[in-house]
Amino acid sequence: QKEVEQDPGPLSVPEGAIVSLNCTYSNSAFQYFMWYRQYSRKGPELLMYTYSSGNKEDGRFTAQVDKSSKYISLFIRDSQPSDSATYLCAMMDNTGKLIFGQGTTLQVKP
Amino acid sequence: GAVVSQHPSWVICKSGTSVKIECRSLDFQATTMFWYRQFPKQSLMLMATSNEGSKATYEQGVEKDKFLINHASLTLSTLTVTSAHPEDSSFYICSARLGAEQYFGPGTRLTVT
Repeated sequence: QKEVEQDPGPLSVPEGAIVSLNCTYSNSAFQYFMWYRQYSRKGPELLMYTYSSGNKEDGRFTAQVDKSSKYISLFIRDSQPSDSATYLCAMMDNTGKLIFGQGTTLQVKP
Repeated sequence: GAVVSQHPSWVICKSGTSVKIECRSLDFQATTMFWYRQFPKQSLMLMATSNEGSKATYEQGVEKDKFLINHASLTLSTLTVTSAHPEDSSFYICSARLGAEQYFGPGTRLTVT
């Protein structure tokens, strides 16, 4: 079993839809949770960063962490074609290393 | 925001030669940088952790003599792929740590012919 599980998709939605992306993990020691967006042939871009359980909102993006269920989510409201990318969840272990999910490919159709 | 650059962005080299990739944190100092490798349609695979002023820590299965890492200053880490072979062709990405956050460079595409 991988430490971090993420459905690779692809996920296709119409423009304006609410997108829900999720990851589960097995290591209860994870404290920091990140979401990265990666466009093709580019480096990942940090979108959201959350410490421990709770919600965090930034514009159209909301990150949720439920440590009791070992489940994290990223919601994108009013999705745009420019949101089409691969979304990677990542968790930091106690050595400072990031453990990534497989990434979910999202396509937002105009 | 925190910016990380990589150079070159794309390199083609012949089998048997060595290639050096630079990773720089432009507007912050990073005592720790990371090097990743990414194959098409796959997630990032951590190769090594680079600490300023000390030896890099390599992940299991990564050949330290083949992938030489030098973190000579708080803003620069280099990855040298020695005696490159076609199977080393990949997308190499570095990141720099700022607090609990990691910021990634744009990546370097290496093609070994």
